[in-house]
Amino acid sequence: DSGVTQTPKHLITATGQRVTLRCSPRSGDLSVYWYQQSLDQGLQFLIQYYNGEERAKGNILERFSAQQFPDLHSELNLSSLELGDSALYFCASSVGDGTSEYFGPGTRLTVL
Amino acid sequence: QQPVQSPQAVILREGEDAVINCSSSKALYSVHWYRQKHGEAPVFLMILLKGGEQKGHEKISASFNEKKQQSSLYLTASQLSYSGTYFCGTELAGIQGAQKLVFGQGTRLTINP
Repeated sequence: DSGVTQTPKHLITATGQRVTLRCSPRSGDLSVYWYQQSLDQGLQFLIQYYNGEERAKGNILERFSAQQFPDLHSELNLSSLELGDSALYFCASSVGDGTSEYFGPGTRLTVL
Repeated sequence: QQPVQSPQAVILREGEDAVINCSSSKALYSVHWYRQKHGEAPVFLMILLKGGEQKGHEKISASFNEKKQQSSLYLTASQLSYSGTYFCGTELAGIQGAQKLVFGQGTRLTINP
């Protein structure tokens, strides 16, 4: 158990819908990362937050947005969902110095 | 921009050594290594910053050759628990303070008894 929690574990929804994925970092970690993993695209870095501020942005679509709240939990919002958005979404956390990262168990999103 | 990993897959017997390479066509600021077992989340192994350093602990170590824009992951006297898919993630040089990781396609390592 890494100490990073993600909810929900599984999510099944339809095209065009909007969903929110939630991540709670390890106690004391200030940084949160979001990743997407699919068979087609492989592992992709989406976005990183540090203490509430966006620190780095990867291949995150305009239909996707994220934020980190004052209690340091983070949410990833996916809207106008397409079939190709079906993937595993991982959250990871770290203290923010880049020396280590701890991954949550992931949320499996299926878009029908 | 995606780094290229080689080999794509390797099968070893327990106790043998393995080397996994990660090459970029652009200058790198850092290289991150992860291992992922089937059905599980990735596990962070280590990060190497430009400067040609080598890092590691016990039987898993890595090097970063800045001039060749390449990193290698070394697994010595492999154990069954080393099986999984190994990913490298690279950050390009010149983008200070912004971590935009790009991952390789992965190397599947199978360790047999």
